[in-house]
Amino acid sequence: GAGVSQSPRYKVAKRGQDVALRCDPISGHVSLFWYQQALGQGPEFLTYFQNEAQLDKSGLPSDRFFAERPEGSVSTLKIQRTQQEDSAVYLCASSLQSGGRSNYGYTFGSGTRLTVV
Amino acid sequence: TQLLEQSPQFLSIQEGENLTVYCNSSSVFSSLQWYRQEPGEGPVLLVTVVTGGEVKKLKRLTFQFGDARKDSSLHITAAQPGDTGLYLCAGDNSGGTSYGKLTFGQGTILTVHP
Repeated sequence: GAGVSQSPRYKVAKRGQDVALRCDPISGHVSLFWYQQALGQGPEFLTYFQNEAQLDKSGLPSDRFFAERPEGSVSTLKIQRTQQEDSAVYLCASSLQSGGRSNYGYTFGSGTRLTVV
Repeated sequence: TQLLEQSPQFLSIQEGENLTVYCNSSSVFSSLQWYRQEPGEGPVLLVTVVTGGEVKKLKRLTFQFGDARKDSSLHITAAQPGDTGLYLCAGDNSGGTSYGKLTFGQGTILTVHP
């Protein structure tokens, strides 16, 4: 596709429910990032994939968070037993570059707004 | 942990005024990017600065990267209501990684009143 697509756009989950957030990156983009953005704040890094390999998951806040990209394209961020503090916008970004500096920036999706009630 | 301090956090001005947003860190970044984000959308890249002392202009927007590559500024001339949004700076190569992991500032919410 022309851009990074994320679904669903909005998700309301009851506390304790599991959720799965999907990211379709730009075709051919090697790098894929997940970020978490609280209301009125800057995004915070969660995890990074280079093709299907998850090279960095240092930003995942707990073991309830899990991400995968099994075929090196679509990625899913799964949150188990959601809690209220998980409420945020989850952004996916992709980049053509496989390493080195990201001098050309990323293309972000519109995000999934997760609300845990 | 590398941090980017962005200021001011909020900026409310009248159409036609000039403004500057600052982004400061004690860490050196290999590059720094500025994004603009509108409600309900993801950040959109405005510019990337790579060289210390670099100045880039994008219409009414002027971006500067500090000589030591630790700070940056965004200056908007004659602001317009369409400039309203959340402006984010983001530093690359945070944590010594080579794949472009970004550290974002907390953002500046700009409101330009007609």
